[in-house]
Amino acid sequence: DTAVSQTPKYLVTQMGNDKSIKCEQNLGHDTMYWYKQDSKKFLKIMFSYNNKELIINETVPNRFSPKSPDKAHLNLHINSLELGDSAVYFCASKTGRQAGAGELFFGEGSRLTVL
Amino acid sequence: SQQGEEDPQALSIQEGENATMNCSYKTSINNLQWYRQNSGRGLVHLILIRSNEREKHSGRLRVTLDTSKKSSSLLITASRAADTASYFCATGRNTDKLIFGTGTRLQVFP
Repeated sequence: DTAVSQTPKYLVTQMGNDKSIKCEQNLGHDTMYWYKQDSKKFLKIMFSYNNKELIINETVPNRFSPKSPDKAHLNLHINSLELGDSAVYFCASKTGRQAGAGELFFGEGSRLTVL
Repeated sequence: SQQGEEDPQALSIQEGENATMNCSYKTSINNLQWYRQNSGRGLVHLILIRSNEREKHSGRLRVTLDTSKKSSSLLITASRAADTASYFCATGRNTDKLIFGTGTRLQVFP
């Protein structure tokens, strides 16, 4: 059973389109994250939700809107896609709220290519 | 700003050799973690070391932490071709996020 699953795994789209990436975790974790990994493998946090509450919003353009319908799901919607949005987006989850409490469990990533 | 930087950026060794990667960071931390990422896959947690610990072992992995120098090292002993991957350090503080380093690409040749 996949612990953190993301869909789709690959997404190719045109500039200006709107797209969504979905994430689900079956680990019973309280906190979920979106990270963006660029072509140089640089991994940067975007958002964090704890029990459906937004707790981290790093200076991400407001074209990106996360939504957490319940604590097991965290989706990412992107409006008006730009070339610079091309990256691999990773969903992750962990128990508890504090960063020091333990490890992150990552999904396999969703590779977004904007043409 | 990015918290951690890793050194070297890339490392190539033969099977059986040891691989050492270093991570430096800028501010105080509660813990430091190491992750592995195989090509095209998600990150997998390897080991966590707390700020009051100096060394930790897990199988063929040995991690050290020097908070006075704000640095950590990951040693993989008796490397295998399957260890080929990118390795990232990540630091945690009392805020709810981990900040990742720039990563070291390790290539182990059979």
